[in-house]
Amino acid sequence: GENVEQHPSTLSVQEGDSAVIKCTYSDSASNYFPWYKQELGKGPQLIIDIRSNVGEKKDQRIAVTLNKTAKHFSLHITETQPEDSAVYFCAANPKPTGGSYIPTFGRGTSLIVHP
Amino acid sequence: DAGVTQSPTHLIKTRGQQVTLRCSPKSGHDTVSWYQQALGQGPQFIFQYYEEEERQRGNFPDRFSGHQFPNYSSELNVNALLLGDSALYLCASSLRGGSYEQYFGPGTRLTVT
Repeated sequence: GENVEQHPSTLSVQEGDSAVIKCTYSDSASNYFPWYKQELGKGPQLIIDIRSNVGEKKDQRIAVTLNKTAKHFSLHITETQPEDSAVYFCAANPKPTGGSYIPTFGRGTSLIVHP
Repeated sequence: DAGVTQSPTHLIKTRGQQVTLRCSPKSGHDTVSWYQQALGQGPQFIFQYYEEEERQRGNFPDRFSGHQFPNYSSELNVNALLLGDSALYLCASSLRGGSYEQYFGPGTRLTVT
């Protein structure tokens, strides 16, 4: 099955700095890569995603890049703010053989933005 | 438009007991997936329900079972609880065969003592 590695496990930055979280996946059949933000006491919230036919996608201060050859993808957050502090999860979704997509998650990155 | 809702919020059970968790999907969604999230870990897929049937299952024992109702809501049942079952249980809804996105509920925190 799919295996997703995520680094770093903890990331501490100053407000206004950029933050980068990196993930690798093992299954070359994976073709959908969402990123989730999980705040304390809440469920994961989808913040951005990318499909395998696209190399980069941007949404305001958040961007995701995908390198299919190397099987890695990254989340970039610019101009970080204290409210960006949360745990971020990457996920990879192999092409389903039946039913809906089932994401395999990384272990998460705890992002701390210091004011 | 209500998102995914789960009940209860928190639950404390004793080893050997049974527990039932409930989930209502986002409006318009017909597929419900359940995940277990241990402390400091990413969510782990338990199973997925569509058309009132279990369609896919992760690597979880038969003590974990579920049900989906005609209104698409779902229940997760865990029998013979173990201490290791303590976790946040997340429900996610989606459209089968449609968009990729899964929308998660806030979760139920289960503590087994």
